[in-house]
Amino acid sequence: GAGVSQSPRYKVAKRGQDVALRCDPISGHVSLFWYQQALGQGPEFLTYFQNEAQLDKSGLPSDRFFAERPEGSVSTLKIQRTQQEDSAVYLCASSSRDRTYNEQFFGPGTRLTVL
Amino acid sequence: AQKVTQAQTEISVVEKEDVTLDCVYETRDTTYYLFWYKQPPSGELVFLIRRNSFDEQNEISGRYSWNFQKSTSSFNFTITASQVVDSAVYFCALSDITQGGSEKLVFGKGMKLTVNP
Repeated sequence: GAGVSQSPRYKVAKRGQDVALRCDPISGHVSLFWYQQALGQGPEFLTYFQNEAQLDKSGLPSDRFFAERPEGSVSTLKIQRTQQEDSAVYLCASSSRDRTYNEQFFGPGTRLTVL
Repeated sequence: AQKVTQAQTEISVVEKEDVTLDCVYETRDTTYYLFWYKQPPSGELVFLIRRNSFDEQNEISGRYSWNFQKSTSSFNFTITASQVVDSAVYFCALSDITQGGSEKLVFGKGMKLTVNP
């Protein structure tokens, strides 16, 4: 079956450029998460959507980071005026919300390199 | 604040050896979940196990076993008779069970396991 997909898989940007990373969650999954994974580190939470509502954006590192999920399915993480410290793998995960706890299924990630 | 510590950063073993991955967590919540994920070189995080804070029963699944001890805030993971395919980075993670909460995961820094033939 189809899992979580992300595109592009790799992105190289010059410092100062804007980038947009896409996440296609598993069909029907209500919850969607974005995580940032720096080299040699564990993933760190960025933001959470329940359907189209962004309920938690406490992990976004600066106002250059913006995420949206306008129709409650596909989500886009946008980074404006990229900096070298933004270089990382950006992971998307989705889950249903029909049990006490719902496992998060992760996509393959987008590796962003800012030169 | 929640925190997960994986003190080991890298372990190298020879195939068929047993290996234990340590995880210590901190949380003020009385109800929470603990997880182990595997990240092979392909990069995709693979879910291995979930444990809730009410259930301290240890679990065995094939070559994998987990030891949850609330008294020491530890959730250790053992691979018995390791195989080359077990080579990966392993992450321990924590999530609260707040009603209506985001269920966001807090990860440790990961432990890279290399199993040599």
